[in-house]
Amino acid sequence: ETGVTQTPRHLVMGMTNKKSLKCEQHLGHNAMYWYKQSAKKPLELMFVYNFKEQTENNSVPSRFSPECPNSSHLFLHLHTLQPEDSALYLCASSQVKRLAGVHTGELFFGEGSRLTVL
Amino acid sequence: AQSVTQLDSHVSVSEGTPVLLRCNYSSSYSPSLFWYVQHPNKGLQLLLKYTSAATLVKGINGFEAEFKKSETSFHLTKPSAHMSDAAEYFCVVSLISSGSARQLTFGSGTQLTVLP
Repeated sequence: ETGVTQTPRHLVMGMTNKKSLKCEQHLGHNAMYWYKQSAKKPLELMFVYNFKEQTENNSVPSRFSPECPNSSHLFLHLHTLQPEDSALYLCASSQVKRLAGVHTGELFFGEGSRLTVL
Repeated sequence: AQSVTQLDSHVSVSEGTPVLLRCNYSSSYSPSLFWYVQHPNKGLQLLLKYTSAATLVKGINGFEAEFKKSETSFHLTKPSAHMSDAAEYFCVVSLISSGSARQLTFGSGTQLTVLP
């Protein structure tokens, strides 16, 4: 069983559709992340949840809506997307030391959800 | 502020020959440095990390990297390339004292091709 599981692996949607990406981590970590990976661009951090609270929203358009119901699950709800939103969406998790707030930088990634917006 | 530059977007080597993937960084503080690998249609996997201990870091699959503060470099090497090493490699810099993933800065990646 992989540490971080993402579903679906591939998704094709129209601009008026509503869909969701799901991520589940089995590592006991307390922080989860959404990254966007587009061709020929650096990895872009979208959202961060530490201890189930959103701590980062990196200027992401409101058509992307994250949800973290517990420390093991993370969703990305998609609504009225644009073709330029087509990309590989990667979920990751890590362990953050609560008191010190230290992030070691070691992320564990899922295999990604390849999104195509028509 | 911090940044990371991967000097080559593409590197091609023959199977059995050495691999060198170059990474330079800039950081106001002592950074942590990482190399991740991404095979086609897969997520990123941690190869190795430097966190202010030994400057020569050994990772998985025979890779290693040397932290050189004077050169602000963290180049990734492997003595002998294998076909399975063909992938994209990312150099990452992090402020160890930061509590935020915002402080993880990813390089733009180096695509490694291994020729038979």
